[in-house]
Amino acid sequence: EAGVVQSPRYKIIEKKQPVAFWCNPISGHNTLYWYRQNLGQGPELLIRYENEEAVDDSQLPKDRFSAERLKGVDSTLKIQPAELGDSAVYLCASSLRQGNTEAFFGQGTRLTVV
Amino acid sequence: GQNIDQPTEMTATEGAIVQINCTYQTSGFNGLFWYQQHAGEAPTFLSYNVLDGLEEKGRFSSFLSRSKGYSYLLLKELQMKDSASYLCAVDTGGYNKLIFGAGTRLAVHP
Repeated sequence: EAGVVQSPRYKIIEKKQPVAFWCNPISGHNTLYWYRQNLGQGPELLIRYENEEAVDDSQLPKDRFSAERLKGVDSTLKIQPAELGDSAVYLCASSLRQGNTEAFFGQGTRLTVV
Repeated sequence: GQNIDQPTEMTATEGAIVQINCTYQTSGFNGLFWYQQHAGEAPTFLSYNVLDGLEEKGRFSSFLSRSKGYSYLLLKELQMKDSASYLCAVDTGGYNKLIFGAGTRLAVHP
C-alpha cells in the first residue's frame, strides 16, 4: 500500500514568489494534516482537515498561506508571497480518524527561500 | 499555554539501554505519541499511551504517568540504526490537536 505522497521533495524559490505543495494521503484516511518543521524542532501544526473541512487552522498565517482539500482527498498548501522565514520542511500526514490513531507522514517538501 | 519538554541530545553505546524523558503541560490530554525521525526523513510512529503504565513493543517501551505529566521511551539492545531524533507528541484534544516537542537527538556509538 502506498504511503503519504508529497511533491515536490525540494523547492528553491526567491522571496516574494509563490509556491505550492501537493499531498496525496493514504487511501481511506479522512484526516489530513499539514505541518511545518524547522531545523532541530518538532513539527508545528498548520492546518488539519476532516474530509474536506478545515477544522484546525489557528496556526496558519492566513495573510500568505492558504490550503485546500477538494473532494476530501488530495490537498495543496500554497504560500504567496514567500518570505525568507518560510524556509522549512513542510510535512503532510494523514490518519484514519482524529483521536487515538497514529498519523502517517509523507517525506516532506524542503523549501528554501533565497 | 502548551509545553512539551525533552532533552535536546543524548548519546549511548550499542547494545545498551537508554531512556528518553518527556514532560508536558497541556490544556487537554487525549494520549501521548512517540515518533522516530531519521535525518531527512519523515517521522514514523513508535508508540501510543493514553492510560498510566508501561506499553512494551519489542525493543521499545513507553511509559506514561498522567498525574505527573510525564512519559519516557525506553530503547533496549541499542543498534546503530537507532540513531535518530525521537519526538514526543501530545494529543491535546483541542483546537491544535497534536503538539510536538522539539525532539531528542540520540546518537548510538560502537
